Amino acid sequence: DSGVTQTPKHLITATGQRVTLRCSPRSGDLSVYWYQQSLDQGLQFLIQYYNGEERAKGNILERFSAQQFPDLHSELNLSSLELGDSALYFCASSDGPRGNEKLFFGSGTQLSVL
Amino acid sequence: DAKTTQPPSMDCAEGRAANLPCNHSTISGNEYVYWYRQIHSQGPQYIIHGLKNNETNEMASLIITEDRKSSTLILPHATLRDTAVYYCIVRVPYTGTASKLTFGTGTRLQVTL
Repeated sequence: DSGVTQTPKHLITATGQRVTLRCSPRSGDLSVYWYQQSLDQGLQFLIQYYNGEERAKGNILERFSAQQFPDLHSELNLSSLELGDSALYFCASSDGPRGNEKLFFGSGTQLSVL
Repeated sequence: DAKTTQPPSMDCAEGRAANLPCNHSTISGNEYVYWYRQIHSQGPQYIIHGLKNNETNEMASLIITEDRKSSTLILPHATLRDTAVYYCIVRVPYTGTASKLTFGTGTRLQVTL
């Protein structure tokens, strides 16, 4: 158990819909990262927050947004969903940002867009 | 960002050492080498990291060549539970404003009886 909690574990929805994925980091960790993993793209970094502020952006679509709340949990919002958004979404946390922190990953949310 | 090259797959007999190579010839002086693994759709798991010295922990050993252009992850006594995709990652230097790990395609290690 990494200490990172993601909910829900599975989500099935339809195209055009909006969903929210939730992540609770390890106790004491200030950084939260979101990654997307699809069969053809591998693990793709989406976005990072540190203590409530956005710190880095990766390959995150404009239809996607995220935020980190004062209690440090984070939510990833996916809107106008398309079939291609079906993927595993992982959240990770660390006590960073520093130069060499380790990331601890949650067990992921499997999103299926039908 | 420094790129890494790993073999797509490897096999290892249970109880034997698994040696997973990684090439990172464009690594810069302040970039670390990280290893993570992912067991069948679970979240990636940190294994070990290093800068230029060899490192060892309870999971594995990391051997980095003197010129830092390649490294080897060693699982000393592989078990069936070590079957996973292993990712070698060169850490984007911390700039003070952002940090992230970029995963490649990794090596799929199959441990067999």
